[in-house]
Amino acid sequence: QSALAQPGSVSGSPGQSITISCTGTISDIGAYKYVSWYQQHPGRAPKLLIFDFSNRPSGVSYRFSASKSGNTASLTISGLQPEDEADYYCSSYTTSGTTVFGGGTKVTVL
Amino acid sequence: QVQLVQSGAEVKKPGASVKVSCKISGHTLTELSMHWVRQAPGKGLQWMGGFNPEEGQTVYAEHFKGRVTMPEDTFTDTAYMELSSLTYDDTAVYYCVKVRVGATNAFDIWGQGTLVTVSS
Repeated sequence: QSALAQPGSVSGSPGQSITISCTGTISDIGAYKYVSWYQQHPGRAPKLLIFDFSNRPSGVSYRFSASKSGNTASLTISGLQPEDEADYYCSSYTTSGTTVFGGGTKVTVL
Repeated sequence: QVQLVQSGAEVKKPGASVKVSCKISGHTLTELSMHWVRQAPGKGLQWMGGFNPEEGQTVYAEHFKGRVTMPEDTFTDTAYMELSSLTYDDTAVYYCVKVRVGATNAFDIWGQGTLVTVSS
């Protein structure tokens, strides 16, 4: 199972919106709604931001939103803030009953 | 509130095995689905395996099949990950993670991570 494809880096200025893409195949993202997104700050464990491709757990800022179309999922961060600078990972359930992560995207707030 | 507390850092020689523990508090293990994820230094997240309720068994990533087991002790509410035939590429932080109740593939609680260093 190959990793999901994410851009290596995305940057934006405070207050702007950015979008991170996550491209898979018909055997993972294209097959189910079970796409999750995680945020990881340096030296910390990842934090769940989004589950079931568009749902936010309690406590996650409304500035994080996500969607899915075909084999591609997307995470949008609106009103970019300095604390949003981190690594972001997508993941998907697969038709093999396994889980696959994306390679990660480093978000820089300019 | 569920908490996951992992065992301490390990240093192992190539070819050896390592067993990492993950103690669950705030819930009973039998009601949870636990998985393991690792992260090599400076690299991304890699799913290793976990319990799949749909299949009623633990499922492992192809990359680790034959080399990893994930037993659970329901009496002590402790999950384990044992990886054998270690190579330098297995140097990583290993996380135990809990699947969000009612969701699939969503890891909402993470252990603090256990650094495993493979060194001769």
